[in-house]
Amino acid sequence: DAGVTQSPTHLIKTRGQQVTLRCSPISGHKSVSWYQQVLGQGPQFIFQYYEKEERGRGNFPDRFSARQFPNYSSELNVNALLLGDSALYLCASSYGTGNTEAFFGQGTRLTVV
Amino acid sequence: QKEVEQDPGPLSVPEGAIVSLNCTYSNSAFQYFMWYRQYSRKGPELLMYTYSSGNKEDGRFTAQVDKSSKYISLFIRDSQPSDSATYLCAMEGGSYIPTFGRGTSLIVHP
Repeated sequence: DAGVTQSPTHLIKTRGQQVTLRCSPISGHKSVSWYQQVLGQGPQFIFQYYEKEERGRGNFPDRFSARQFPNYSSELNVNALLLGDSALYLCASSYGTGNTEAFFGQGTRLTVV
Repeated sequence: QKEVEQDPGPLSVPEGAIVSLNCTYSNSAFQYFMWYRQYSRKGPELLMYTYSSGNKEDGRFTAQVDKSSKYISLFIRDSQPSDSATYLCAMEGGSYIPTFGRGTSLIVHP
């Protein structure tokens, strides 16, 4: 079975631009969570969606938004990119609302120049 | 003070050693405790999770939680070079929002 897949794997954007990252969860998983991981730090929670509804939101500005589609795939959008948004963006899927048995994708490495 | 503290290392050990990795936390609401392994340029991989206090064993890995001390540990027996990675602890209370430590870099040399 395919694991969590994220696209693209790498991305370079200019300050002020907008970016959309995509995630396909493991088949049968209904929850998708997004994380930002800055080099040398642990992942920081951004959003969780379950059954297409937002279930949790971390301490990120409104420039960050996400949605989940009927097939449970998800998109993370970041507007007005800042240099500090450069990070590895991780998507994790799980069957239920908890995150104790979440499976991560390989991430999208975003570089803002 | 961060909610979850984890020494970044690196921790360097010889092959076959017993490795002890630790995290401390300040939020008494945390009830679920997870350990992840992350290889360079990869996403984290769940190793095991425990609920509340106690021990849990899975092969060469043992997780311990001491809620009274707000301290969790992961032990790796018979460590192998393939165990070289960053180990992340994570914790969750009732909010479904997990909090991760910054990770400990482990190097197992032959």
